[in-house]
Amino acid sequence: NAGVTQTPKFQVLKTGQSMTLQCAQDMNHEYMSWYRQDPGMGLRLIHYSVGAGITDQGEVPNGYNVSRSTTEDFPLRLLSAAPSQTSVYFCASRRDRGVVNEKLFFGSGTQLSVL
Amino acid sequence: GQNIDQPTEMTATEGAIVQINCTYQTSGFNGLFWYQQHAGEAPTFLSYNVLDGLEEKGRFSSFLSRSKGYSYLLLKELQMKDSASYLCAVRLDNYGQNFVFGPGTRLSVLP
Repeated sequence: NAGVTQTPKFQVLKTGQSMTLQCAQDMNHEYMSWYRQDPGMGLRLIHYSVGAGITDQGEVPNGYNVSRSTTEDFPLRLLSAAPSQTSVYFCASRRDRGVVNEKLFFGSGTQLSVL
Repeated sequence: GQNIDQPTEMTATEGAIVQINCTYQTSGFNGLFWYQQHAGEAPTFLSYNVLDGLEEKGRFSSFLSRSKGYSYLLLKELQMKDSASYLCAVRLDNYGQNFVFGPGTRLSVLP
């Protein structure tokens, strides 16, 4: 059981470039989300999805786009990379939004540097 | 807004006990989670509290006081492998952006 799979693990971009971070889960989880982690700031929610075809913005959505065409996949697109988007990105999923103690399962992270 | 506070860093000795505190002021509350994150790795789930009191899981215990907006994680019989960051997270509600994370506490266990 692979869990939550993120690719790539590392990426360097130039300002203005675009790219897609991939996230896939094989646990049939309804809920998927993207976080960024910056030193001293904790994990901050970028976008989330409660099911295929449904997405919504989190705390820091600007500069990012998401889609959820299948239950398994939830890619994060950087439209025009900026140095402020240098961060570690985590994809996380959860089984059932109706279960109160359901924890998040995290992918292994993507370290992104924008020059 | 949402606010979760944790100490930035803590140091303890192998075999000792350490308590990591978390205070929160959030617009909603539907449970408090603790995650462990080793350097360069993903966070992994440690514990969950939704009612006041202590939850024990082996060497790890977590306490919650909802009236005080306070939780702590207690680690006993510290081992070198416990050196990691510990993240406190509040679940605000059952939908949407329902987890707010604290900044994390980096724990160093010394021999």
